[in-house]
Amino acid sequence: DAKTTQPNSMESNEEEPVHLPCNHSTISGTDYIHWYRQLPSQGPEYVIHGLTSNVNNRMASLAIAEDRKSSTLILHRATLRDAAVYYCIQILNTNAGKSTFGDGTTLTVKP
Amino acid sequence: DTGVSQDPRHKITKRGQNVTFRCDPISEHNRLYWYRQTLGQGPEFLTYFQNEAQLEKSRLLSDRFSAERPKGSFSTLEIQRTEQGDSAMYLCASSLWTQGQYFGPGTRLTVT
Repeated sequence: DAKTTQPNSMESNEEEPVHLPCNHSTISGTDYIHWYRQLPSQGPEYVIHGLTSNVNNRMASLAIAEDRKSSTLILHRATLRDAAVYYCIQILNTNAGKSTFGDGTTLTVKP
Repeated sequence: DTGVSQDPRHKITKRGQNVTFRCDPISEHNRLYWYRQTLGQGPEFLTYFQNEAQLEKSRLLSDRFSAERPKGSFSTLEIQRTEQGDSAMYLCASSLWTQGQYFGPGTRLTVT
């Protein structure tokens, strides 16, 4: 299984940037890196994904290391609504589309 | 813009009964995924379809679990002879190839 490693929990202050790390040392050259988040009592929500280059969208930025063995999800200004479990997963760029979610990082945002 | 829908949202059944869940993906998405999630854990992959072909499935689907996507649109997940350990949230997601997966609200199954 393509497994990623994330810290169990992180804390942030409201309106400050948050950098959520993820290690994916077994990634191959064509695997995508996806990030999802899950609020309590809701299904996971897609945040962002990338292959090699850094990516930005309205929700967050994704910084991918040059060797692609790690990535960082950046929330530029955390709000209380960003408190959630954040999952980083590898998506195989083949017909073998199995997605392995770990336990994610629980982000707490303090007012 | 209609998202992924799942039906029913909640299901209570007695041990030993069969249950079937339905998932309607986003219409232009060709991939559909089923996951199971228990409290405090991340989603556990069950199976995935590319159009109507079931291309990957976990060990769970070799026994009492089966899934279909007959015309490459909606999908069903059936659990036969339910057990208490099957109680969980069953999540469906869809995507266009390897783009982001969009999840439905889930079906919460309680086996008594």
